[in-house]
Amino acid sequence: QVQLQESGPGLVKPSETLSLTCTVSGGSIISYYWSWIRQSPGKGLEWLGYIYYSGSTNYNPSLKSRVIISLDAAKNQFSLKLSSVTAADTAVYYCARAGALITPWDFDFWGQGTLVTVSS
Amino acid sequence: DIQMTQSPSSLSASVGDRVTITCRASQTISGYLNWYQQKPGKAPKLLIYAASSLQSGVPSRFSGSGSGTDFTLTISSLQPEDFATYYCQQSSSTGTFGQGTKVEIK
Repeated sequence: QVQLQESGPGLVKPSETLSLTCTVSGGSIISYYWSWIRQSPGKGLEWLGYIYYSGSTNYNPSLKSRVIISLDAAKNQFSLKLSSVTAADTAVYYCARAGALITPWDFDFWGQGTLVTVSS
Repeated sequence: DIQMTQSPSSLSASVGDRVTITCRASQTISGYLNWYQQKPGKAPKLLIYAASSLQSGVPSRFSGSGSGTDFTLTISSLQPEDFATYYCQQSSSTGTFGQGTKVEIK
């Protein structure tokens, strides 16, 4: 059974960069799409972007200028960097897998989520 | 941007009831529509993909239908473990989610 686990700081200062890592266990990172999704009371569930195991990426246009997703296949990990954060970026951040069904947005496995608060 | 609108935003139902949730896309998305269930403090769980395909391990009381812009999630006989929030999501591009429908105990 594939498992995903998010890790990273729970508190980030405004204007700084939010960095999170997702570790995949119980399966390979190869041949799938790996996404970051966040959930906040104000904006609901929001897809941030994905990285394919080959390294190609696709980002939500609304955040494209601030998001970078990278992958380390040797460690079975992928990461999120979100720059210039504000209080509006406070959310629970999830990592998720797609690619086993039909589209890169069919999320069949999710991490448990990690709360990131943006505050000074 | 494709916008997803769910209705109702909440509903009260009893165990054994048939429950229907609708989702409308702002433009046609063919059959690229998923449904998720989320319980408090947990990640969303995929129930239905491609509008009507049941995800592995999901009980058959859950079903989905629709195409184009209008979609429906039906729970044929509501069980105690089904009280949760349900989200639709278009998987045509950028994976936009609906705002959610909270199913509460009547």
